[in-house]
Amino acid sequence: GENVEQHPSTLSVQEGDSAVIKCTYSDSASNYFPWYKQELGKRPQLIIDIRSNVGEKKDQRIAVTLNKTAKHFSLHITETQPEDSAVYFCAASREGTALIFGKGTTLSVSS
Amino acid sequence: DAGVIQSPRHEVTEMGQEVTLRCKPISGHDYLFWYRQTMMRGLELLIYFNNNVPIDDSGMPEDRFSAKMPNASFSTLKIQPSEPRDSAVYFCASSFMNTEAFFGQGTRLTVV
Repeated sequence: GENVEQHPSTLSVQEGDSAVIKCTYSDSASNYFPWYKQELGKRPQLIIDIRSNVGEKKDQRIAVTLNKTAKHFSLHITETQPEDSAVYFCAASREGTALIFGKGTTLSVSS
Repeated sequence: DAGVIQSPRHEVTEMGQEVTLRCKPISGHDYLFWYRQTMMRGLELLIYFNNNVPIDDSGMPEDRFSAKMPNASFSTLKIQPSEPRDSAVYFCASSFMNTEAFFGQGTRLTVV
């Protein structure tokens, strides 16, 4: 089955800096790669996703890149703000299967 | 739609008791997932259903865990008997085909 590794487990940045979180996956048939943000005591919520036919996707300060050959994908957050502080999860799935999540990255943005 | 609805939000029970967690998925969604979240193990997939049929229950930790989906609008996750190591936040999520999974608010289970 699918296995997703996520790094780093914790990340501390200054407000305005960029943050990058990286994930690798094992199943070459996986074709859907979402990123979820989970604030303390809340549910995980989708912030951006990418499919295997696309190499990069942007949404304002957030971008995701995918390298299918290397089987890794990354989340980039630019101009970080204190409200970006949360736990971020990457996930992967193939058609008709469940999302398998990485272990999460705790991002702390200090002002 | 009100989103994925889980109940109860919090459950405190004694070791050995039966626990039943409930989930109402978003109307029209054909996939339903149960996840367990702990600090040590992150978000673990327990079981998922497609059109009310269990597809993969390999993540269910032991025979003490069981899940059902009697119809498209309701699912249960049962633990019998419960143990302290079952303490975690249990999330139900639903999706339509291979798209965004929407999570419920979760049930925080504490077994003492």
